[in-house]
Amino acid sequence: DQQVKQNSPSLSVQEGRISILNCDYTNSMFDYFLWYKKYPAEGPTFLISISSIKDKNEDGRFTVFLNKSAKHLSLHIVPSQPGDSAVYFCAASASGGSYIPTFGRGTSLIVHP
Amino acid sequence: NAGVTQTPKFQVLKTGQSMTLQCAQDMNHNSMYWYRQDPGMGLRLIYYSASEGTTDKGEVPNGYNVSRLNKREFSLRLESAAPSQTSVYFCASSEFRGVQPQHFGDGTRLSIL
Repeated sequence: DQQVKQNSPSLSVQEGRISILNCDYTNSMFDYFLWYKKYPAEGPTFLISISSIKDKNEDGRFTVFLNKSAKHLSLHIVPSQPGDSAVYFCAASASGGSYIPTFGRGTSLIVHP
Repeated sequence: NAGVTQTPKFQVLKTGQSMTLQCAQDMNHNSMYWYRQDPGMGLRLIYYSASEGTTDKGEVPNGYNVSRLNKREFSLRLESAAPSQTSVYFCASSEFRGVQPQHFGDGTRLSIL
């Protein structure tokens, strides 16, 4: 049973538009959430994170929103650029538990010029 | 800075052969991790080392052993490789135990025939 779910395996967006990647979790102990970006033949790289005490965190073109009651978070990329084309992994961890993140299966984002 | 370095990048083994995957980090991080990624799956934790001298099992430890050789190095050993262990293996490190981003290597692509 997946504790972190990314239900969209892929997403296609036009350059300049907004990309919205979604992630749902089931474990109510999760209180820290991260997004990683992965290019082919490379390891994942950390993109942005959010603690459960916040509902929004912004870093340049990237914003993560957290809805604790719905156990849902989303990553917004505005504006999308072709270089954003990659696989995006959502991860969640529990500071009071093992702390090691549980990863979703990833969403492949393709940004068309 | 090299960050997290994994060797080899590619390897083909026959069923029953043994192999050690090497990982080294130059960021003076305390915690290190081994993950595997299979097609359509997220990253699944095999083993981790919260600090030098300690190792613990993750989600999928069967068929693997690890050694935290020193603070820099964390190796993963397959004693008797099986086709089910065909995967991409990622090593990661983080500064200390706790909820925080991990830094990943570029992976080792392992095929077992």
